[in-house]
Amino acid sequence: DAGVIQSPRHEVTEMGQEVTLRCKPISGHNSLFWYRQTMMRGLELLIYFNNNVPIDDSGMPEDRFSAKMPNASFSTLKIQPSEPRDSAVYFCASSFSGGAGEQFFGPGTRLTVL
Amino acid sequence: RKEVEQDPGPFNVPEGATVAFNCTYSNSASQSFFWYRQDCRKEPKLLMSVYSSGNEDGRFTAQLNRASQYISLLIRDSKLSDSATYLCVVQAGTALIFGKGTTLSVSS
Repeated sequence: DAGVIQSPRHEVTEMGQEVTLRCKPISGHNSLFWYRQTMMRGLELLIYFNNNVPIDDSGMPEDRFSAKMPNASFSTLKIQPSEPRDSAVYFCASSFSGGAGEQFFGPGTRLTVL
Repeated sequence: RKEVEQDPGPFNVPEGATVAFNCTYSNSASQSFFWYRQDCRKEPKLLMSVYSSGNEDGRFTAQLNRASQYISLLIRDSKLSDSATYLCVVQAGTALIFGKGTTLSVSS
């Protein structure tokens, strides 16, 4: 069975450029989460969707970040414009139970903004 | 006070050792508790849930003390393959709050 799929796996871009990260959750899961992980701050929840609807975006750092989930099998996280401090590993995770239980993580996108 | 606090380590132990990790959390309304494992440059994966009565899965034992807001993970007979970062995770509402993790290195 395919797990959570993320693309790209690595992204190197220059400050000011737009970055789009993609995620395909596990089929049948109705909750999707975007996290960011850095050495300094650890793993932080950015936004959470339930049945394709954003439920909690309080972790989104600022207006430069936006996330969409147009259907049950696809989500994007966009950063525009990107800044060096956005450099991190971005994980997408999905679950069946609205977060009340195991979350399955994708392999992550390692973003470097120069 | 941070929501979930862990000793970052690293814990360096020989094979066969017993090692314990501790975690404290600040939200007394937290409902569910977990330990996740993260290998170097990989994604986090669920290791085990933590139940109020304590639970065991092979060499791994998890304990929860709600009164003290304290969670622990005990690993017995450490293996080289146990080397990883162990993340303490607390659920409050719909969100999972992750600790920064405790790094374990098991050597032969």
